[in-house]
Amino acid sequence: GAVVSQHPSWVICKSGTSVKIECRSLDFQATTMFWYRQFPKQSLMLMATSNEGSKATYEQGVEKDKFLINHASLTLSTLTVTSAHPEDSSFYICSAPSDWGTEAFFGQGTRLTVV
Amino acid sequence: QQQVKQSPQSLIVQKGGISIINCAYENTAFDYFPWYQQFPGKGPALLIAIRPDVSEKKEGRFTISFNKSAKQFSLHIMDSQPGDSATYFCAAMGGSTLGRLYFGRGTQLTVWP
Repeated sequence: GAVVSQHPSWVICKSGTSVKIECRSLDFQATTMFWYRQFPKQSLMLMATSNEGSKATYEQGVEKDKFLINHASLTLSTLTVTSAHPEDSSFYICSAPSDWGTEAFFGQGTRLTVV
Repeated sequence: QQQVKQSPQSLIVQKGGISIINCAYENTAFDYFPWYQQFPGKGPALLIAIRPDVSEKKEGRFTISFNKSAKQFSLHIMDSQPGDSATYFCAAMGGSTLGRLYFGRGTQLTVWP
């Protein structure tokens, strides 16, 4: 199957700093990518849909000024958590759909810990 | 609003037994139903998936049963092993946003040796 690479796999940062997470489709192009967040012992919740060449679409309750998404190319989407706080500590996972949107390929996930 | 409802929340099975996890959905536009397995600290890994044109799909010890009229689908793990202990998520895809998955809440499966 197609490969989606997410980096870094884990990061620890201080409160008030910003963290960037990258999601790359390695062997296919993705005009759309999805960013999910998963808190401990909970399900994956969609945060936003990243669209190549246009603005991201955010789910209700997700602060777009705090979670900046950039999809500058057909193979790369980035999520920047700005002014991170301890409550932002979570597992962030990206996914990209197959050509016809019939399957989803996940990155390895990023464990963010804000101290 | 939970688009995909999953039960049970947790499941304990003895080694060699059958694990059954159930999911239900409402949106008839959904046309792809995957199951994911997730170990602690790892991302979800696709286990098996089904489309609504078939009622059952089997891969090794894992079987999906699909009931289109009832809008329900389930995962059966035969001969459950301790290595199967993980969290399982059902999901559904389809509708206007291609590739967007709607997840169930997850089932924590523990298989005792």
